[in-house]
Amino acid sequence: EAGVTQFPSHSVIEKGQTVTLRCDPISGHDNLYWYRRVMGKEIKFLLHFVKESKQDESGMPNNRFLAERTGGTYSTLKVQPAELEDSGVYFCASSQQGTYGYTFGSGTRLTVV
Amino acid sequence: SQELEQSPQSLIVQEGKNLTINCTSSKTLYGLYWYKQKYGEGLIFLMMLQKGGEEKSHEKITAKLDEKKQQSSLHITASQPSHAGIYLCGAVYSGGYQKVTFGIGTKLQVIP
Repeated sequence: EAGVTQFPSHSVIEKGQTVTLRCDPISGHDNLYWYRRVMGKEIKFLLHFVKESKQDESGMPNNRFLAERTGGTYSTLKVQPAELEDSGVYFCASSQQGTYGYTFGSGTRLTVV
Repeated sequence: SQELEQSPQSLIVQEGKNLTINCTSSKTLYGLYWYKQKYGEGLIFLMMLQKGGEEKSHEKITAKLDEKKQQSSLHITASQPSHAGIYLCGAVYSGGYQKVTFGIGTKLQVIP
């Protein structure tokens, strides 16, 4: 079974530019999560999709972040415009409904310069 | 203060030695995850402890949940270089297991 796939693995952009991160969950996993780790800090929850619906987006930092999950399959996280403090590693995870123990992707390392 | 305190943040042990990592919550736990991360990779699920004071083992790794102290400990017996990585505890504070609050992580190095 293929795992959770994230791309790009690395992205370096200038402040003010737009970046879109993509996550392909494990097939059949209705739950999809985005987390972020800023250097030196804990991994923080951003949001949770159940299929195509946003179940909990309480962790989204501000309105520069937009997450979508088209058709309940892959998800994108867009940052527009990017700021320096957005730098970090963005993780995606998925799970089946009613189970615990997410499967995490390898993360996207975003650097805003 | 942080909701989930993890200690130590860094640990260097000689191969073959035992070690313990602790994770303490300031709020009542519903469940507690342990994950391991190697550099450049995703988080690998180790085990989950549910409310009720559980203890689980996987190979040479044992984790316990002390409900009274709202604390979990991860113990590695006879450490090996393959155990090296970052260990993260993650707390769940309500039913449904939908959202995890992570500790800062413990970076473990095992010296041959």
